[in-house]
Amino acid sequence: GESVGLHLPTLSVQEGDNSIINCAYSNSASDYFIWYKQESGKGPQFIIDIRSNMDKRQGQRVTVLLNKTVKHLSLQIAATQPGDSAVYFCAEYGYNQGGKLIFGQGTELSVKP
Amino acid sequence: DTEVTQTPKHLVMGMTNKKSLKCEQHMGHRAMYWYKQKAKKPPELMFVYSYEKLSINESVPSRFSPECPNSSLLNLHLHALQPEDSALYLCASSQDLTGAQPQHFGDGTRLSIL
Repeated sequence: GESVGLHLPTLSVQEGDNSIINCAYSNSASDYFIWYKQESGKGPQFIIDIRSNMDKRQGQRVTVLLNKTVKHLSLQIAATQPGDSAVYFCAEYGYNQGGKLIFGQGTELSVKP
Repeated sequence: DTEVTQTPKHLVMGMTNKKSLKCEQHMGHRAMYWYKQKAKKPPELMFVYSYEKLSINESVPSRFSPECPNSSLLNLHLHALQPEDSALYLCASSQDLTGAQPQHFGDGTRLSIL
């Protein structure tokens, strides 16, 4: 992910709507990507991952899309629920990064009932 | 509940104290990590252990001293910390360092330095 400044981007959605959270990653050599959800007072929780040989992967109510041409990753959450309110981080991994996971700056999702 | 357990959940210490943070996982993972996280920021990598050996030290000040006594345990020893060290300290683990696999995080220790 790339730094977008001092403020955490915020996305506010109505309960039941679909949410799309975007992430621009930094290294074209990255070959594995993860989305994490972090609720207040908790550690990051794994949601879904995708390898660079794929452009789409679906889980339960979540879909990750990968566009390697523009180095863009997105997380789609269907029928967003209040329990989805959290900070969402994308993370990239590549062999030329020494095995390190590089985190994006995060997006705060707020779901209005 | 996470599969990575961290203790204590909260810690308040003075700048002259010595304390330790503990992390435990029973998933058979051979890579373990310490991260520091400030409010509204992503986790920042501090240390990586692979097969109980230190693999990466991200130029962390020596007042933080990691230890991996066995494949299930990871400690972070703290001494003479500064107020700016107040943060959430996260432990994570993964199968190993060889490939594309997620890291699994604990819920962290919230550290406050007085």
